[in-house]
Amino acid sequence: QVQLVESGGGVVQPGRSLRLSCAASGFTFSGYAMNWVRQAPGKGLEWVAVIWYDGSNEYYVDSVKGRFTISRDNSKTTLYLQMNSLRAEDTAVYYCTRERSVGNHDVWGQGTTVTVSS
Amino acid sequence: QSALTQPASVSGSPGQSITISCTGTSSDVGSYNLVSWYQHHPGKAPKLMLYEVSQRPSGISNRFSGSKSGNTASLTISGLQAEDEADYYCCSYAGSYTFPYVFGTGTKVTVL
Repeated sequence: QVQLVESGGGVVQPGRSLRLSCAASGFTFSGYAMNWVRQAPGKGLEWVAVIWYDGSNEYYVDSVKGRFTISRDNSKTTLYLQMNSLRAEDTAVYYCTRERSVGNHDVWGQGTTVTVSS
Repeated sequence: QSALTQPASVSGSPGQSITISCTGTSSDVGSYNLVSWYQHHPGKAPKLMLYEVSQRPSGISNRFSGSKSGNTASLTISGLQAEDEADYYCCSYAGSYTFPYVFGTGTKVTVL
């Protein structure tokens, strides 16, 4: 069935790096834009980044620009989020989503937790 | 970009109808019929309930409906059931490739 499974979360010190992965299955991964959305503790959902179906374009929320990089490997049907220079405010559950059409995030993973703390 | 404004909480008794509002601006909700709604049970993956203001994905009950007027979108749940108790988030296209999406602040729905 259509599925997204995130991995790579953990506890990391401020200033360090982490790479999240999102393994996709059950659909033609290369046909969809993909996003990362996060939820900080006690807060709402926040869109983080998007990458087009072919990887040709990527965009970020201002708070992560220059620190985070979204990428994809269509041959491995996997989405990535490289997070550098992590800050306490990056602590959140990170979800990957499939974007079926503009604004239509129709498939979500279960999320992976990132905790930035010394 | 500021988050879309939702009421913090809405409650209702089983069988009743409730409506959750989602207020944005003329740059997002007001300009595009690209508002979606997500149900989120804590610890689980968020679930798409409506897209393009009022379209239901396959498998979503017709008890869930959506509308939009001006800068405010709304989600109505009719025939409220215990399993509807969850957090609900709206999301709108924000009109820019460089910042495409803004989510709402979230609404906790409680079934009394």
